[in-house]
Amino acid sequence: AQSVTQLGSHVSVSEGALVLLRCNYSSSVPPYLFWYVQYPNQGLQLLLKYTSAATLVKGINGFEAEFKKSETSFHLTKPSAHMSDAAEYFCAVSDQAGTALIFGKGTTLSVSS
Amino acid sequence: NAGVTQTPKFRVLKTGQSMTLLCAQDMNHEYMYWYRQDPGMGLRLIHYSVGEGTTAKGEVPDGYNVSRLKKQNFLLGLESAAPSQTSVYFCASSHSTEFTEAFFGQGTRLTVV
Repeated sequence: AQSVTQLGSHVSVSEGALVLLRCNYSSSVPPYLFWYVQYPNQGLQLLLKYTSAATLVKGINGFEAEFKKSETSFHLTKPSAHMSDAAEYFCAVSDQAGTALIFGKGTTLSVSS
Repeated sequence: NAGVTQTPKFRVLKTGQSMTLLCAQDMNHEYMYWYRQDPGMGLRLIHYSVGEGTTAKGEVPDGYNVSRLKKQNFLLGLESAAPSQTSVYFCASSHSTEFTEAFFGQGTRLTVV
């Protein structure tokens, strides 16, 4: 069965520093992979998605992620953190039938000035 | 464009009471989902639907029922609420032609006392 593991439930960075949020997946078929962001008291918003077109995926707000099949990873990065990036981030994989998303447990990103 | 709308946004129930959460989408999506979000657990799929008149169980379906009588609506029912069902519930929808972005509602915060 498909699953995702997010390493680190909480990541803290300084404003301007590199953001790296880690996600590893388990899938028996080529996966669709997603990163979502959740701001306080809001629903989830799509940051970016991997659907096999390109291994380096660019998303909104300067985020990008690289699909590495050999490492079964899909880590999220941003070169320079901004205060507004503070939120909870979820990695997700499509299930085997392609009918639903399976989410990781989330990583809370804190950004300090 | 309203997207995905959840009703109500907040609710407090007493143990043993019943209630229905309503989800409505105006994007003509085939697929609809109910997730629950608990601290440290990420989002877990309760039930989903791949079309009008169809429903299927997700990861944590016990204690919940769903109905999809109209394409645009997906109802989540709690017949006899328990404190363990205290959570934030999210509805989402997506197209069926390929696994594209899932659009989320703003969530319903349910407390069972």
